[in-house]
Order: sequence, then C-alpha cells, then structure tokens
Amino acid sequence: SAVISQKPSRDICQRGTSLTIQCQVDSQVTMMFWYRQQPGQSLTLIATANQGSEATYESGFVIDKFPISRPNLTFSTLTVSNMSPEDSSIYLCSVEIGTGREKLFFGSGTQLSVL
Amino acid sequence: GENVEQHPSTLSVQEGDSAVIKCTYSDSASNYFPWYKQELGKGPQLIIDIRSNVGEKKDQRIAVTLNKTAKHFSLHITETQPEDSAVYFCAATTSGAGTALIFGKGTTLSVSS
Repeated sequence: SAVISQKPSRDICQRGTSLTIQCQVDSQVTMMFWYRQQPGQSLTLIATANQGSEATYESGFVIDKFPISRPNLTFSTLTVSNMSPEDSSIYLCSVEIGTGREKLFFGSGTQLSVL
Repeated sequence: GENVEQHPSTLSVQEGDSAVIKCTYSDSASNYFPWYKQELGKGPQLIIDIRSNVGEKKDQRIAVTLNKTAKHFSLHITETQPEDSAVYFCAATTSGAGTALIFGKGTTLSVSS
C-alpha cells in the first residue's frame, strides 16, 4: 500500500472562488486519480493524472473547471475553479499500486463546502 | 459501459450476526472486483478483492464470492462487530484495459451491540 496525504482535510469556500487540493504520496507512483464523492453518493472519477502529460478527464469534467497538475511521481494537485454550491463534495486522491489499473488506494479526502 | 448495482443501501445487524452485501455488474469483460470500506471522515479502504478466475476468497471474517455467469458478486462479513459499521462500496473494472473502477452506490452497515 501507500501513505497518501491530502490537504486541506476540509474547507468552507465562497461561491466564485477557487480551491487547490494537494495530494502527496510516500512513494513514486505512475498513476494518480482524482475522484469526487457527492453527499451520500458513490465515487465518480474526475480525471487521471500522469506525470509529464496532460490529465485525462472523464465525461462531464473539464480542465477549465478542474485543472490538475502532476509535477512529479509523488505529488498532484486538483483545483476546483469558480466554485458553486453544487461543487460541495468530498474530493479524493487515489493512487494505483501494482500492475494493472485496479489496486487503488485512497487518501483521506477533502471535504469541501461551498456557500 | 460498465454499470454496478449494489444492494441493500442500508443494513442493520446485531453484533455477532453475519452481513451480506450484493452487487451485480453489466460488462461481462469485467474481471476485477474490489470492495472498499469507508468510515466517517476517511477515504475508502480496500478490504478485499477478487479476480474473475477465482470463485471465492476469504480473509479472516471477510469473504467475497463471484458468480461470473450471473454477473454478481457478494461480500460476506461473519461475526460482525461494532467496528464493522461503515459504508461499503463494491466496484468492477476490466484490469489493464485503461478503464476506471466503476463503483456501486454503497451500503451503510450498522452493527449494534
């Protein structure tokens, strides 16, 4: 497994502002993923962040709204831009361990509330 | 694409009883099925997984069964304890094909002592 640290753990933000969430892993990993978990809901993949290339976004998510950086093999950021109350969710960083794209381990998440 | 259905959405049991959570998937190409446990304020934790070449896997009080023909898989927790109370998610994917894990909607398990 891996130790995945996310910052901040929670935040309350005003409509129209942006928040950048940081994800730090204690080992080098190729694949990092950002998920969203809306209140009482399941997990939805936002994008895949590979070091040295543009992030790949899932249907319904766009780079302008959720820009992602992946400067090295242990770190990534997700920005939630121009926030609205609908963006209130838990945002989770996850990493792939092992071969294949299946053994995902998650950070503790960022609880975001937008007023 | 893949669709994962999970039942029940809530489950309440007495300490010591068994709990069973069931999931069905739609894509017959899916071959990897993990289960995650999420406690309040924490990220999901991988607790057990199974691949399509195996019918059952056990790890102490936890077991997962897979029926490829029927396209369903189940999580079994025996001798439940209050600390088993959490939200459990099943997921499915086609490993190595560059596709993401598709999660079920979750089951809130409450174990009362």
